[in-house]
Amino acid sequence: EDKVVQSPLSLVVHEGDTVTLNCSYEVTNFRSLLWYKQEKKAPTFLFMLTSSGIEKKSGRLSSILDKKELFSILNITATQTGDSAVYLCAVGGRNAGGTSYGKLTFGQGTILTVHP
Amino acid sequence: NAGVTQTPKFRVLKTGQSMTLLCAQDMNHEYMYWYRQDPGMGLRLIHYSVGEGTTAKGEVPDGYNVSRLKKQNFLLGLESAAPSQTSVYFCASSYSKVQGNYEQFFGPGTRLTVL
Repeated sequence: EDKVVQSPLSLVVHEGDTVTLNCSYEVTNFRSLLWYKQEKKAPTFLFMLTSSGIEKKSGRLSSILDKKELFSILNITATQTGDSAVYLCAVGGRNAGGTSYGKLTFGQGTILTVHP
Repeated sequence: NAGVTQTPKFRVLKTGQSMTLLCAQDMNHEYMYWYRQDPGMGLRLIHYSVGEGTTAKGEVPDGYNVSRLKKQNFLLGLESAAPSQTSVYFCASSYSKVQGNYEQFFGPGTRLTVL
């Protein structure tokens, strides 16, 4: 059974701080790891990391994937109040037949609160 | 493009009542999914579909049924609602044969309360 564990479960920082969110996983035949941001609505896509793309960056956000140690981190530098959200990590694998059907297993999420 | 839409946005049921949640996507995606989200538990997959006319069980399928009669629609049914089904339900879709990626796009969610 695929498993994703995120840490910490919650984090409170002040504007300008840098934060690191962690995601460790166990998955059968790893295909991809995705990060989502969820404010008071639907999750929105941030990054997808695969065997061919283990580091991604977009503005103040960056993420790396360590396939050997089975974890990923999401870094946010110079945090802003608008970064306050739940950050979800999800992994996709393949079944014995080699298909995935795009299914994802999600972690519990990290609640990030950024104070002014 | 509207993306993924869900109806209704909110619903209150009494124990034993039935209801259907509707999900629609206009991105020509092959795969569709229903999740529930409870505090501290992330998103858990209820059922999914890999194409029109096909459905499969996810992690927590008990008490739910689904149907995908048209490619763009995925329905989630509760035949006899229980308080344990109080949750926020998200629909998602993914995979375009043209684009070939598996990023999931989510609908806005349905908040369901069962009394």
